[in-house]
Amino acid sequence: DQQVKQNSPSLSVQEGRISILNCDYTNSMFDYFLWYKKYPAEGPTFLISISSIKDKNEDGRFTVFLNKSAKHLSLHIVPSQPGDSAVYFCAASALGGSEKLVFGKGTKLTVNP
Amino acid sequence: SQTIHQWPATLVQPVGSPLSLECTVEGTSNPNLYWYRQAAGRGLQLLFYSVGIGQISSEVPQNLSASRPQDRQFILSSKKLLLSDSGFYLCAWTQNNSPLHFGNGTRLTVT
Repeated sequence: DQQVKQNSPSLSVQEGRISILNCDYTNSMFDYFLWYKKYPAEGPTFLISISSIKDKNEDGRFTVFLNKSAKHLSLHIVPSQPGDSAVYFCAASALGGSEKLVFGKGTKLTVNP
Repeated sequence: SQTIHQWPATLVQPVGSPLSLECTVEGTSNPNLYWYRQAAGRGLQLLFYSVGIGQISSEVPQNLSASRPQDRQFILSSKKLLLSDSGFYLCAWTQNNSPLHFGNGTRLTVT
């Protein structure tokens, strides 16, 4: 049973445009959500997080939106850059932090120059 | 600053052979340590986590085991590898609700 779902395995956007990566979850106990970015042959690196008490968190070009009623979150990257090309993982925890994270399968983002 | 080391980067092992992957963390003490695996076409799956020396919790039944002989050392082992053990193995640490920090992973291919 997949508790965190990233239904788009890949996404391609033009440089300078917005990238929107989506994530759905089924466990209503999840209260902390994170996005990780992964380059080939490297481990994932933390990008941005959001607590369930918020509906938006912004960090530079990256914004995460949380819709608790829909059990949906999204990551917006504006403007997209070629260096953003990577696999993006959505993760969730029911423990208020990074303990025992549940990850989605990832979405491969390609930003074309 | 804290760093996490994981080795080897790649490994090819025959079915039935033993496995030992090692992970060490520097620059912190008493971290929570994790082993994750990414199998082909799947997300990152939590295998084991540890909150202290000798304390191991297993998340899924499997052919693998983990040990934490020292505070900042986490080892993933198997006595006899199966084909289904192939995947990308990631060690990670966290402390005081910091985001999970990952090592660079080991690509294991069981032939």
